[in-house]
Amino acid sequence: QQQVKQSPQSLIVQKGGISIINCAYENTAFDYFPWYQQFPGKGPALLIAIRPDVSEKKEGRFTISFNKSAKQFSLHIMDSQPGDSATYFCAASTGNQFYFGTGTSLTVIP
Amino acid sequence: GAGVSQTPSNKVTEKGKYVELRCDPISGHTALYWYRQSLGQGPEFLIYFQGTGAADDSGLPNDRFFAVRPEGSVSTLKIQRTERGDSAVYLCASSPGRGVTDTQYFGPGTRLTVL
Repeated sequence: QQQVKQSPQSLIVQKGGISIINCAYENTAFDYFPWYQQFPGKGPALLIAIRPDVSEKKEGRFTISFNKSAKQFSLHIMDSQPGDSATYFCAASTGNQFYFGTGTSLTVIP
Repeated sequence: GAGVSQTPSNKVTEKGKYVELRCDPISGHTALYWYRQSLGQGPEFLIYFQGTGAADDSGLPNDRFFAVRPEGSVSTLKIQRTERGDSAVYLCASSPGRGVTDTQYFGPGTRLTVL
């Protein structure tokens, strides 16, 4: 059973546009929600993360929006650039167990 | 400084064989994780070490999988009697071990192919 559901599976955005990736979870015990960026042949790298006591966190062009009541969270990439083209994973954790979504392949067209 | 390294980068083996995958974490990191990533999927948790002990091995799929970290640094993931379904990228990550919100630093992975 997939603990974290991620959509869309793939996304194509024009340079300068906004990329939005959504995730949903069921386990209310999750207390940490990171997003990872992965390039081909590389391991995932932490992009930004949020705890459930805040509804939004922004770091540069990247923003996480968190809706605790709906058990949903999303990643917004503002002013998307071709260099942002990668696979993005949301994750949720309780204790030291991390559950990842299935990934979103983002392509930013110049 | 050096990041997490994993060797080999690629491993091809035959069904039924035994394999060992090695992870060298970032120096000083006490927490170490192993994940398995199948094609088109997110990483799947296998095991977590805090120091030398396996604090949580609930993600290991069956008793053919085993991992050790005898001196609290390098870790080896061991797979016995490999099956074609074990083919995946095996990722290792380490973190300082201060808490669950520590950043996990991932290695590049070992791509295991079982023929």
